[in-house]
Amino acid sequence: DIVMTQSPDSLAVSLGERATINCKSGQSVLHSSTNKNYLAWYQQKPGQPPKLLIYWASTRESGVPDRFSGSGSGTDFTLAISSLQAEEVAVYYCQQYYDTPYTFGQGTKLEIK
Amino acid sequence: EVQLVESGGGLVKPGGSLRLSCEGSGFTFSNAWMSWVRQAPGKGLEWVGHIKSKSDGGTTDYAAPVKGRFTISRDDSKNTIYLQMNSLKTEDTAVYYCVRHQLVFTSWGQGTLVTVSS
Repeated sequence: DIVMTQSPDSLAVSLGERATINCKSGQSVLHSSTNKNYLAWYQQKPGQPPKLLIYWASTRESGVPDRFSGSGSGTDFTLAISSLQAEEVAVYYCQQYYDTPYTFGQGTKLEIK
Repeated sequence: EVQLVESGGGLVKPGGSLRLSCEGSGFTFSNAWMSWVRQAPGKGLEWVGHIKSKSDGGTTDYAAPVKGRFTISRDDSKNTIYLQMNSLKTEDTAVYYCVRHQLVFTSWGQGTLVTVSS
């Protein structure tokens, strides 16, 4: 199984400041035949199901604000929120879809400082 | 608009069985790969398993903790997938989400709570 490890477990950022969350996979999720990273990011607000934010490591899902950006390749990835808004308080998960079993990171809880 | 509605959750004793259903709308259900993802109370997300579209073989795959106990099936005439859960354990207690699966998990239902307790 591909183990996904996020850091930090929790993060407090001031409104308008930048937030960054890291995700490391236990093996590369860069597929040689497609040259794509099979890595996604999800946002889960309290009491709601997760919502897809980013796929292919850096492609924003339709309707996701451009404050959100994803980067990285191979085994190391980052989700950044350029200017934190109050409504972005949530838990963020990375996930690999390179191979089954599809696996998630443990989650990073983002709060307002 | 894509909608996924789960049903069938509830309280069941250890060793018991339960069948969850998920009805989809707003997309061509028969072409969709569908997954179940669960979340134990206060915990993270865990993929349970998926079923491919019939055109892609209709095969299933499962996470190790549920393999041999859980079965995913589909009825495209009803736009519905099922999760048959047998030999339930206390550690299966979770919210179970139905997810439309296009490599990534693009659309999620609201979830249904399964509680396994004596």
